[in-house]
Amino acid sequence: EVQLVESGGGLVQPGGSLRLSCAASGFTFSSYWMSWVRQAPGKGLEWVANIKQDGSEKYYVDSVKGRFTISRDNAKNSLYLQMNSLRAEDTAVYYCAREVSWYMNYYYYYYMDVWGKGTTVTVSS
Amino acid sequence: EIVLTQSPGTLSLSPGERATLSCRASQSVSSSYLAWYQQKPGQAPRLLIYGASSRATGIPDRFSGSGSGTDFTLTISRLEPEDFAVYYCQQYGSSSIFTFGPGTKVDIK
Repeated sequence: EVQLVESGGGLVQPGGSLRLSCAASGFTFSSYWMSWVRQAPGKGLEWVANIKQDGSEKYYVDSVKGRFTISRDNAKNSLYLQMNSLRAEDTAVYYCAREVSWYMNYYYYYYMDVWGKGTTVTVSS
Repeated sequence: EIVLTQSPGTLSLSPGERATLSCRASQSVSSSYLAWYQQKPGQAPRLLIYGASSRATGIPDRFSGSGSGTDFTLTISRLEPEDFAVYYCQQYGSSSIFTFGPGTKVDIK
């Protein structure tokens, strides 16, 4: 079964750090781009960051640039999100998601087809 | 940066009715970059539609997507009780980033 399981969430004070993990199983993890997506309480979805299969390319939403670092360990089938200098507005459920990209009939297709259940991060004093 | 706008914010309908959800982009989007997701309370999002009109694996055929350029539509032909949820459109943009629309909530009238 294809599965993503996040962990590492919790309560942290403003300015603190947290490292999220996402364990992948049931598919060839090293073949896929991976993303982190978050959802603040009662709000919509916000893409946070993604990383290429070999870790050579990483992209971030502007609001987390310089504070968050995405990484992966293909030998351990794991995705990570190191979050530093946390703010109250980072409070959210954080999901990891598998990205799919493929080419057919002159077009590239991009979407996220597998999602974890999420881990909750609360930034509060 | 492309901004996605979804309307209406909330759609109140009865089971068996047709739901039409709109997603509008601030500039033209390739149809192959447009996807729709369903999210129920306390659950992760689920992929419904990719490439603007292709149903994901296991998605019932009452869900259909259409559109091009800046205007895209998700249609649920006959609402089932399990379809009451929030629906998000998403586009893949430059620099390998994704953006989501604010969502449309479909609730029971």
